[in-house]
Amino acid sequence: AQTVTQSQPEMSVQEAETVTLSCTYDTSESDYYLFWYKQPPSRQMILVIRQEAYKQQNATENRFSVNFQKAAKSFSLKISDSQLGDAAMYFCAASLSGGGADGLTFGKGTHLIIQP
Amino acid sequence: EAGVVQSPRYKIIEKKQPVAFWCNPISGHNTLYWYRQNLGQGPELLIRYENEEAVDDSQLPKDRFSAERLKGVDSTLKIQPAELGDSAVYLCASSYGLAGVLEQYFGPGTRLTVT
Repeated sequence: AQTVTQSQPEMSVQEAETVTLSCTYDTSESDYYLFWYKQPPSRQMILVIRQEAYKQQNATENRFSVNFQKAAKSFSLKISDSQLGDAAMYFCAASLSGGGADGLTFGKGTHLIIQP
Repeated sequence: EAGVVQSPRYKIIEKKQPVAFWCNPISGHNTLYWYRQNLGQGPELLIRYENEEAVDDSQLPKDRFSAERLKGVDSTLKIQPAELGDSAVYLCASSYGLAGVLEQYFGPGTRLTVT
């Protein structure tokens, strides 16, 4: 079975500091896609960053970057210079069925708290 | 550009009653998804449409859930009869194209409470 695991139910960081959220996954496919989504209390899922498994270079989007370790099946999200607006649930997600417009498999989420 | 629209935002019903959720995807998006998100969990895929065809409904509880996407645009998800365990947020998402993995755009969801 394809699974995505987030082992940190909650993380807390001081404003302006850096925090890393962990994610591991399991798949037998060689071609797949990984995502981090942010879900604020409004419930609207917002894509933060995406990584294609065939790309060795880690994806970055402004203050957000990933550490993609394909052999270890690990996909962590680093948020630099944390801001109050970053507070939300963060979900690691994957399309693990080898391409195509597949549905996503999500982890259980990490609740990120930003302390002022 | 308008995002994915869902209605209603909230729905409270008694068990054994029917309920329906509506989704209008982003214009031009041919792929539509319905997810269910239980409290404290990540979303789980219920059904995926390519245009008007349901191409993955393996996780849809077909004894009580049904869905349709007429003309490959709007979609309706129905539960009949609802059970207490159906209380959750129902999310609709859409994406464009058939090849590759595409960003899915999510709606705000419908929070269903079954009493």
